[in-house]
Amino acid sequence: EVQMLESGGGLVQPGGSLRLSCAASGFTFSSYAMSWVRQAPGRGLEWVSAISGSGGSTYYADSVKGRFTISRDNSKNTLYLQMNSLRAEDTAVYYCAKTGRAHALDAFDIWGQGTMVTVSS
Amino acid sequence: QLVVTQSPSASASLGASVKLTCTLSSGHSTYAIAWHQQQPEKGPRYLMKFNSDGSHSKGDGIPDRFSGSSSGAERYLTISSLQSEDEADYYCQTWVSGIQVFGGGTKLTVL
Repeated sequence: EVQMLESGGGLVQPGGSLRLSCAASGFTFSSYAMSWVRQAPGRGLEWVSAISGSGGSTYYADSVKGRFTISRDNSKNTLYLQMNSLRAEDTAVYYCAKTGRAHALDAFDIWGQGTMVTVSS
Repeated sequence: QLVVTQSPSASASLGASVKLTCTLSSGHSTYAIAWHQQQPEKGPRYLMKFNSDGSHSKGDGIPDRFSGSSSGAERYLTISSLQSEDEADYYCQTWVSGIQVFGGGTKLTVL
């Protein structure tokens, strides 16, 4: 069974840092690009960042560029999102999403269950 | 700039059919899209990928009641024989030049 389980969310003060993880199973992790997508309370889905299957290519939304870093460890089947200089507007549920192929540009065909990040003093 | 537009809300009666629309911005009418469903208090669920040539692929376990179509820059998700569990938010997703773009979502109410 294909599964993706996010962890690492929590409450952090503005300006703080947090690292999210997404542990994947049930598929050949290194063969697929992965993304992080977030959803602020009561709002729609917002793509945050993507990484190719090999990890050699990364992409970011303008709203997080320079503050967030996406990475992956294919030996551990795990995706990461390092979030620095956090702001109140980063408060959201963060989902990891699997893309249908190795390149970052394709439909998301599997979603994780999400982890909540709250940025507040 | 790639923009994806969806109507904020739609409604239809139990057992009826509904057609949701996703409109791609000018110059992007040939782009493929994906549809995702998000039931209340749940994470998103992949429904299908739809290409402009009409070819498509569905997610595992997605019933035949869900189908896709297109016309020009518009992509449609038709849900037939509406059931109460179809009441959800539906998002359109597309991609270009290293970025992913979501529409604002359509909230479907089943009457």
